[in-house]
Amino acid sequence: GENVEQHPSTLSVQEGDSAVIKCTYSDSASNYFPWYKQELGKGPQLIIDIRSNVGEKKDQRIAVTLNKTAKHFSLHITETQPEDSAVYFCAVREGSARQLTFGSGTQLTVLP
Amino acid sequence: GAVVSQHPSRVICKSGTSVKIECRSLDFQATTMFWYRQFPKQSLMLMATSNEGSKATYEQGVEKDKFLINHASLTLSTLTVTSAHPEDSSFYICSARSSGTTDTQYFGPGTRLTVL
Repeated sequence: GENVEQHPSTLSVQEGDSAVIKCTYSDSASNYFPWYKQELGKGPQLIIDIRSNVGEKKDQRIAVTLNKTAKHFSLHITETQPEDSAVYFCAVREGSARQLTFGSGTQLTVLP
Repeated sequence: GAVVSQHPSRVICKSGTSVKIECRSLDFQATTMFWYRQFPKQSLMLMATSNEGSKATYEQGVEKDKFLINHASLTLSTLTVTSAHPEDSSFYICSARSSGTTDTQYFGPGTRLTVL
């Protein structure tokens, strides 16, 4: 089955700096790559996603890049703010699968 | 984005009782719904996948007779934890996948279950 590795597990940045979280996956047939933000005591919230026919996608301060050859994708958050502090999960779905395979999560802390 | 609601948000029950959690997709039809369990500081663990009108598919190690899942309509799925024990205490999160071409998966806000 699919195997997803996420790094780093914790990340602290100063407010205004950029944060980058990376995930690698094993199944070359995977074609959908969402990122979720989870605040304490809440459900995961979809923040951005990318499909295998696209190399990069941006939404204001958030961007995701995908390298299908190397089988990794990254979340980029620019101009970080304290409210960006949360746990971020990457996920992968193989084309024929119904379910997502999640990474282990990254605790992002933005220091004011 | 699409909205998935979950009720109740928090429940405390006595050991041996059953608890039902509802999950609704409010503004889209979900042919597939998922139930996850999450322990503190851990990732989401998929419990089961259900399609509307058919039996749920349970992940290995998840007892189907203990965690009853019903997906009666395109907008509603329920998880019933039967004969709950303290070790069932956890954060349960449902998720719904839209049936359209985008097939995006959205999550509910979660239910904190505490079994005394």
